[in-house]
Amino acid sequence: GAVVSQHPSWVICKSGTSVKIECRSLDFQATTMFWYRQFPKQSLMLMATSNEGSKATYEQGVEKDKFLINHASLTLSTLTVTSAHPEDSSFYICSAREAQAGGYGYTFGSGTRLTVV
Amino acid sequence: AQKITQTQPGMFVQEKEAVTLDCTYDTSDPSYGLFWYKQPSSGEMIFLIYQGSYDQQNATEGRYSLNFQKARKSANLVISASQLGDSAMYFCAMREGYNQGGKLIFGQGTELSVKP
Repeated sequence: GAVVSQHPSWVICKSGTSVKIECRSLDFQATTMFWYRQFPKQSLMLMATSNEGSKATYEQGVEKDKFLINHASLTLSTLTVTSAHPEDSSFYICSAREAQAGGYGYTFGSGTRLTVV
Repeated sequence: AQKITQTQPGMFVQEKEAVTLDCTYDTSDPSYGLFWYKQPSSGEMIFLIYQGSYDQQNATEGRYSLNFQKARKSANLVISASQLGDSAMYFCAMREGYNQGGKLIFGQGTELSVKP
């Protein structure tokens, strides 16, 4: 089946530094990528939607200058958390859609646990 | 406005018994899809079952079935013969419209604990 590889699985960074999270679709072309953030015991909150070759569409309240999303190819999308602060500590997870996917064709990455110290 | 609502923050069920997890939704779009995912402590999202708004029959996948009541806008998940490995967070999600890039919106989740 379709697989999305997400790296790193976990990362600890110092406050003020930037962190890049990658999601790669291994056996299909991800025309659309969704990025979510999840705090402990809470729901997945959609941060942004990106289509290959286009600028990402951010959800209301998400700082586009802080959470940079790049979807330059059909198999790779990245989320960069810039100038990270402790409040950015969270679980980040991506979800990819293939162009010809059926009604339920969403493939999730395994997630990245970010801790900012 | 909350579009997907799960009103049970936590549920307990005895092993081998059935359990129903509630989900209600709100949309004015006649075309939509409803999903259930399982999220164990590892964080991965495991797809369980899907119901399209035009599907005439309730979806079933092994021990999982979706009780789709369109008029009530509910899409409850029924897990039969619960197993200890079913202990996890369960999320209901909705995709509005049927375009290829439709985003998924998730409910608050229900934490299911299966007792031996």
